[in-house]
Amino acid sequence: AQTVTQSQPEMSVQEAETVTLSCTYDTSENNYYLFWYKQPPSRQMILVIRQEAYKQQNATENRFSVNFQKAAKSFSLKISDSQLGDTAMYFCAFMKGVGTASKLTFGTGTRLQVTL
Amino acid sequence: GAVVSQHPSWVICKSGTSVKIECRSLDFQATTMFWYRQFPKQSLMLMATSNEGSKATYEQGVEKDKFLINHASLTLSTLTVTSAHPEDSSFYICSARVGLAGRIYNEQFFGPGTRLTVL
Repeated sequence: AQTVTQSQPEMSVQEAETVTLSCTYDTSENNYYLFWYKQPPSRQMILVIRQEAYKQQNATENRFSVNFQKAAKSFSLKISDSQLGDTAMYFCAFMKGVGTASKLTFGTGTRLQVTL
Repeated sequence: GAVVSQHPSWVICKSGTSVKIECRSLDFQATTMFWYRQFPKQSLMLMATSNEGSKATYEQGVEKDKFLINHASLTLSTLTVTSAHPEDSSFYICSARVGLAGRIYNEQFFGPGTRLTVL
């Protein structure tokens, strides 16, 4: 079974600064996907960024980027120019393969607080 | 973007009664829907996976007779909590996946969640 570990229960960053959230995972699969989801106080899950394991290039979405280290099974999220609206729970998630049988496995989450 | 709705957004019921939560994909057809449970300050725990027209597949430890899931159409799945008790109080989130032929990756979209409180 796959496991996803987020070792930082809480993080704090000042507005406009950069913060990195850590995520490691354990799998024997070679074909998989990794995700970062954001859950703001509204509790609506929002996809922040995804990475296909077969791609060596790190995914980037505006202020959000990942550092994907496949051999180390590490998938960290970097948020640049942090904004107050980035305050939320962030979940790292893993999904193996494709098809109807594939499903998301979530980490325990990191609560990020952006301060003035 | 694809939208998933849930109804109701919150519900309070008495112990022993049953509660039905609806999950709808509003602008796409979802071949697969997922039901999650989230306790305060915790992660999402997958309860079951349902494919349209098929019986749901429950995760280990989830009572299928207590949490009845029906996925009768490509746009609607329901979760019924039968004989609810206070320990069933939680935040329930559904998710729907687009299944498009030829796509490598099928994106999953989440509903806004339903807060269930059992008195």
